[in-house]
Amino acid sequence: RKEVEQDPGPFNVPEGATVAFNCTYSNSASQSFFWYRQDCRKEPKLLMSVYSSGNEDGRFTAQLNRASQYISLLIRDSKLSDSATYLCVVNRNGGSQGNLIFGKGTKLSVKP
Amino acid sequence: NAGVTQTPKFQVLKTGQSMTLQCAQDMNHNSMYWYRQDPGMGLRLIYYSASEGTTDKGEVPNGYNVSRLNKREFSLRLESAAPSQTSVYFCASSEWYSNQPQHFGDGTRLSIL
Repeated sequence: RKEVEQDPGPFNVPEGATVAFNCTYSNSASQSFFWYRQDCRKEPKLLMSVYSSGNEDGRFTAQLNRASQYISLLIRDSKLSDSATYLCVVNRNGGSQGNLIFGKGTKLSVKP
Repeated sequence: NAGVTQTPKFQVLKTGQSMTLQCAQDMNHNSMYWYRQDPGMGLRLIYYSASEGTTDKGEVPNGYNVSRLNKREFSLRLESAAPSQTSVYFCASSEWYSNQPQHFGDGTRLSIL
């Protein structure tokens, strides 16, 4: 299994739709999980952290399933401005090659 | 509130030339990182500095060197640029080298001819 794996998409959805992204990770010892958003030709920006109990920020809900080693991001009532690439990020617990592993991202395109 | 500032924003080099990418953060973070991002490859860590005075190799360090000049500044040097180093380079910082999110600069687009 790859360290962090995401469906590359693209996900093409109409405005107002609900869309879900999943991400799997390989290191069962990982402790921290994040979703980042990256707009075209821009830097990645932290969207939200993912907590064990699940967490919500407005239209965005993140969930963690430690047993199955996957993380999800749900976007409700999609807006045109949600169009971006969403990166799943997991910490590499221990090891010597930096502390965060970034997935390659899932591209979302919200259409009018 | 500038956050993480990178210079330059764009650069074109010829093969064999050298250059230094500059990065500075004003968030009093202890840890800093350099990544490159290529189409289809995602973000790959080049070097990182867990704290002032330390640097370590990441996933793709060959052809690069770094200097942690002080707590605020972390530079990346290409000694002899190669076309394979054409990429977008991002600097990032985090409060500590631990389970914390990283904050990114807006990138340097580097083309090597």
